[in-house]
Amino acid sequence: SQQGEEDPQALSIQEGENATMNCSYKTSINNLQWYRQNSGRGLVHLILIRSNEREKHSGRLRVTLDTSKKSSSLLITASRAADTASYFCAFTSGTYKYIFGTGTRLKVLA
Amino acid sequence: KAGVTQTPRYLIKTRGQQVTLSCSPISGHRSVSWYQQTPGQGLQFLFEYFSETQRNKGNFPGRFSGRQFSNSRSEMNVSTLELGDSALYLCASSFTGATRVDIQYFGAGTRLSVL
Repeated sequence: SQQGEEDPQALSIQEGENATMNCSYKTSINNLQWYRQNSGRGLVHLILIRSNEREKHSGRLRVTLDTSKKSSSLLITASRAADTASYFCAFTSGTYKYIFGTGTRLKVLA
Repeated sequence: KAGVTQTPRYLIKTRGQQVTLSCSPISGHRSVSWYQQTPGQGLQFLFEYFSETQRNKGNFPGRFSGRQFSNSRSEMNVSTLELGDSALYLCASSFTGATRVDIQYFGAGTRLSVL
């Protein structure tokens, strides 16, 4: 399957802790993006990293990309209850088609 | 700037019926993609339209079809509904589609329940 695999499937942490989730894929990619989904609603774009980049930051988010290992990680620092959501990686491989990972359900406990 | 609008938000149908879902992209966006999201299969790509042309299609049966109008609005149709078609259907728009470094903007989705 071309679908990306994410782990862990679910993660529960305390407010203030860091959350790390990983995405692995099997094909070569053009870019990789991370999205957040709150409770079965639409997805919200978080950050994009190009295939020739290794690390990117946006606020409390840090994304790394290792194309040799075909993997990416998303780190959320100093997590808040409002970060509770499902997180998906998505990548483009070839043309006109986004492939999404299986998702990580993050629960941040207040 | 208005976001991606999907209508209706909720829909209940019975097996064998057909359904049409609508998506209005962000103004200026020419690419519209459709996804099916279920707990078991995750987010699955259905198809992508750009300037009224279908550029790519996922692995779904022919019962799933779509089209895009000249104003970039898109519709998705599912005929002969099956119980397994119950899902959240998401529409996303972007400027040019996945060939460029492009961000997809998602609508809130249409929750379809097939009884």
